[in-house]
Formats: sequence, structure tokens, C-alpha cells
Amino acid sequence: EVQLVESGGGLVQPGGSLRLSCAASGFTFSSYWMSWVRQAPGKGLEWVANIKVDGSEDYYVDSVKGRFSIFRDNAKNSLYLQMNSLRAEDTAVYYCARDGVWFKESSNYWGPGTLVTVSS
Amino acid sequence: DIQMTQSPSSLSASVGDRVTITCQASQDISNYLNWYQQKPGKAPNLLIYDASNLETGVPSRFSGSGSGTDFTFTISSLQPEDIATYYCQQFDNIPRTFGQGTKVEIK
Repeated sequence: EVQLVESGGGLVQPGGSLRLSCAASGFTFSSYWMSWVRQAPGKGLEWVANIKVDGSEDYYVDSVKGRFSIFRDNAKNSLYLQMNSLRAEDTAVYYCARDGVWFKESSNYWGPGTLVTVSS
Repeated sequence: DIQMTQSPSSLSASVGDRVTITCQASQDISNYLNWYQQKPGKAPNLLIYDASNLETGVPSRFSGSGSGTDFTFTISSLQPEDIATYYCQQFDNIPRTFGQGTKVEIK
């Protein structure tokens, strides 16, 4: 059974940093693109970033470029999101999602999410 | 960025009704379109991929159609458990943008 479990969320001050983790199991992690998607309280979904199977390519939404970094450790079946220079507008539930083996495939498995709150 | 315009933003229908949601892309995305269902406090659940393909395990009352810029999502007979917010998402280009969502309620 495919499982994704996010961790690392919490309360952080504006300008601070946080690293989210996503532990994957039930599939060959190193064969799949992975994504992070977020949802601000009461708002819609926003795709944040994705990363290639071997970590050699990554892509970001403009609003987080230069501040967030997605990376993975295939030996540990884990996905990460390093978030720096956090702003109030980064407050959201962050979901880890499994994409396909190719670039243009859907996110068909999602974790339950972890809440990040940026506030002083 | 590709803009996804989804409508309506909310709807109320009776059990057994046919429900239709539309999604329009700001440029041609071929068939690189997903439809997700999200219930309160839960992660999104993929229902339809590649515009018209039903994800494994999803009831056949859900369907999708369209290509290019205009897409339609249909629930053929609304059930109480279908109360949720539905999102379209394009995955043709980066960033992978979502529509603003359609909240479906029972009348």
C-alpha cells in the first residue's frame, strides 16, 4: 500500500526557516517524480514544486523560487522541502504527492499534510 | 503561467441530479488535465486523469471530457458522499496550476 507521511510543520516566525519531510513507503520511491502542494487556510490548492526521480531536475512556482528548495534521499525513501525566508503568506497545509515515472503524469497519491504557520 | 478558470464556484443539487463543472485553460494543454475531489480536512483524491480517464477504484458516475482549452467534469447521479470541493489541474506546463475549486452541496 502506498503511504506518504509528512512531518516537520509547526509555528515559525516571519523570516525563519523550516524543513518538511515526507516519508514514503509501499512503492519504489526512486522511480517516481514527487511534488509538494500547499493549501492556505480556507483557500484552494497551489502547486509548489516537483523533483525528478534522481533529483537532477526541480521546478518551482514563482512565489517560492529562491526561498524554497525541494530535494530527496532515495536511499531513505524521503522527500524534503527546505523553506527559508518564510512569509505570512506561506502559512498553509503542505502536502507531499507522488507523481508518475515521467514528467507529465498526475499526482495520484497524497499524504495527509502538515500545517506550517508563519506568525510572530 | 497557465490560468485555469473553473465554474461555477459553488453549486447546490439534489441527490440523483446530474452535476457538471467546467474548466477552461488560458492556452492549449492538450489532455493534460486532472480532476480532484477534496473533502474537508482531507488530502485531495485523484478522480480523473488525462482529461477523461477514470482513476482505479473511482465510481463510474464520475466522468471527464474535453481537450485543448475546454474541459468538463460530470457526476451523473449525485450521491450524499459526493459532497466535497472539486478542482481541475493542468500538468502540461510548470507551474502546475489548479482551478479555484467548485464546492458541491446537497439541496
